Amino acid sequence: AQTVTQSQPEMSVQEAETVTLSCTYDTSESDYYLFWYKQPPSRQMILVIRQEAYKQQNATENRFSVNFQKAAKSFSLKISDSQLGDAAMYFCALTSTMYSGGGADGLTFGKGTHLIIQP
Amino acid sequence: DTGVSQNPRHKITKRGQNVTFRCDPISEHNRLYWYRQTLGQGPEFLTYFQNEAQLEKSRLLSDRFSAERPKGSFSTLEIQRTEQGDSAMYLCASSLDLLASTQYFGPGTRLTVL
Repeated sequence: AQTVTQSQPEMSVQEAETVTLSCTYDTSESDYYLFWYKQPPSRQMILVIRQEAYKQQNATENRFSVNFQKAAKSFSLKISDSQLGDAAMYFCALTSTMYSGGGADGLTFGKGTHLIIQP
Repeated sequence: DTGVSQNPRHKITKRGQNVTFRCDPISEHNRLYWYRQTLGQGPEFLTYFQNEAQLEKSRLLSDRFSAERPKGSFSTLEIQRTEQGDSAMYLCASSLDLLASTQYFGPGTRLTVL
């Protein structure tokens, strides 16, 4: 079984500052993928960033970057220059297989971190 | 709008009634997923289709839950004999049939069982 743990129910950051959201996971698979999704209030979930476990280089997408520590099974999200539009629930997610031919699994999500941006 | 769409957006029903939700994936996506999200929790994976084949359904919460994707296009999720514990947001996602394909989510259907 796979598990994803987000230990911070809520985080608050001043606009333009940097914030880091924590995520730890557990899987017995050697090949897996990690994601951060953002869910704004009453809006649909959108992908923020993704990381393939076989890649050592940390993924970055503009102001968003991850710190992937495979041995520690840690996958934190850093948001630089926080903006009011970043306010949302952030979910860390994991999947172990994503290839055709069966066995593809859904995403396993953490409970989320509510990010508040203080103006 | 060419994203994932779900209908209805809200459904209120009485305990014991059957409900059906529809999901229209992004047109070129042949994988389709259903999730349930309860208050304060992350989404929970329910089932998965590749084209019209339901390749994973062991995660469906009970035999009252069923899903179909008759022609590999839209999908429906049915809950029979609804219970108050079924109240939740039901999310649909779709993706390409490629290695490491990103799942794109719809806006969800919020179910309230009275």
